[in-house]
Amino acid sequence: GENVEQHPSTLSVQEGDSAVIKCTYSDSASNYFPWYKQELGKGPQLIIDIRSNVGEKKDQRIAVTLNKTAKHFSLHITETQPEDSAVYFCAASRQGGTSYGKLTFGQGTILTVHP
Amino acid sequence: DADVTQTPRNRITKTGKRIMLECSQTKGHDRMYWYRQDPGLGLQLIYYSFDVKDINKGEISDGYSVSRQAQAKFSLSLESAIPNQTALYFCATSDLDRFVFGQGTRLTVV
Repeated sequence: GENVEQHPSTLSVQEGDSAVIKCTYSDSASNYFPWYKQELGKGPQLIIDIRSNVGEKKDQRIAVTLNKTAKHFSLHITETQPEDSAVYFCAASRQGGTSYGKLTFGQGTILTVHP
Repeated sequence: DADVTQTPRNRITKTGKRIMLECSQTKGHDRMYWYRQDPGLGLQLIYYSFDVKDINKGEISDGYSVSRQAQAKFSLSLESAIPNQTALYFCATSDLDRFVFGQGTRLTVV
């Protein structure tokens, strides 16, 4: 089955700095890679996702890059703000055709943005 | 109203007791899931269901069972709770790939 490794487990930055979280996956058939943000006391919420036919995707201060050859993908947050503080999870799954849609999650990164 | 509602939000139970966690969704999606979250381990899949007649085991199904009562309802049961089942439990629903999670149920087994 799929295995997703996520690093670092904790990340502390100053407000305005950039933050980068990296994930690697094992199943070369995986083709969908979402990122989730989990705030205290809440469930994970989708913040951005990327499919294997795209190398990079941006949404305002958030971007995700994908390297299919190396089987890794990264989340980039620029101009960080205190409200970006949360736990971030990467995930991978195989989508399409008769394939099922189970998500395999990384271990999570606790991001702290200091004012 | 939330798209995915879990009840209860918090529960403390004794070892050996049977407990049921309930989940309902208003997204109209066929697919529903139960995940368990432990610190440093991310979310691990317990069971999933792609329609009312379809139930599948996930990575960590031992000690758990599920029931899909309707398209909108998916419940998780612990037949005989044990302390290492203390965790945060999430229900989710999805269309083909985009998941929507509930707020979670914090379960403590003493």
